[in-house]
Amino acid sequence: DGGITQSPKYLFRKEGQNVTLSCEQNLNHDAMYWYRQDPGQGLRLIYYSQIVNDFQKGDIAEGYSVSREKKESFPLTVTSAQKNPTAFYLCASFNRAGGNYNEQFFGPGTRLTVL
Amino acid sequence: RKEVEQDPGPFNVPEGATVAFNCTYSNSASQSFFWYRQDCRKEPKLLMSVYSSGNEDGRFTAQLNRASQYISLLIRDSKLSDSATYLCVVKSDRGSTLGRLYFGRGTQLTVWP
Repeated sequence: DGGITQSPKYLFRKEGQNVTLSCEQNLNHDAMYWYRQDPGQGLRLIYYSQIVNDFQKGDIAEGYSVSREKKESFPLTVTSAQKNPTAFYLCASFNRAGGNYNEQFFGPGTRLTVL
Repeated sequence: RKEVEQDPGPFNVPEGATVAFNCTYSNSASQSFFWYRQDCRKEPKLLMSVYSSGNEDGRFTAQLNRASQYISLLIRDSKLSDSATYLCVVKSDRGSTLGRLYFGRGTQLTVWP
């Protein structure tokens, strides 16, 4: 079955540590996105990538880094510079060639807690 | 000003009720509109797209008013399983940001028996 996988589902990290969240898709989508969701808040865009080896900052990129070496993979690193990293992180992908009403698919998310 | 504004609710309605959610967006150049549903501690999933002429999918009806930059979702004959958060979403169709989604905070709905 095609879809998006994220791992781990739950992640605990100590302050000052970097941590990398995995996102993999087998939908053959060009575009991939990382969002952050805090309780009672909408999704906020961290980074996105339209093609391999290219990515752009979203609205809240500070303290995060990404890479896009393969079409299928878009890992997100939460660095120690991110002041308030505890949140629900969602990865999504999208087929740019699919037209205006093409759906953006989401992975199941990773809950990161900083202890 | 936020790109997409929604009333966060919560809306608490009995089974069988009709409930309506509203949403406004700020960018008049936006072309694509959606309602996503998000269950507690889960990822958002597409409920329905919103077309200019309005569209219906079973008990759900979506409307778009481009002049007022306003989107609505109507749920008829509410079921317990409709309890979720409903996210109003606007997609950018411009150049380098093609495919970028802007999310409202979501409107929480609880349907009680």
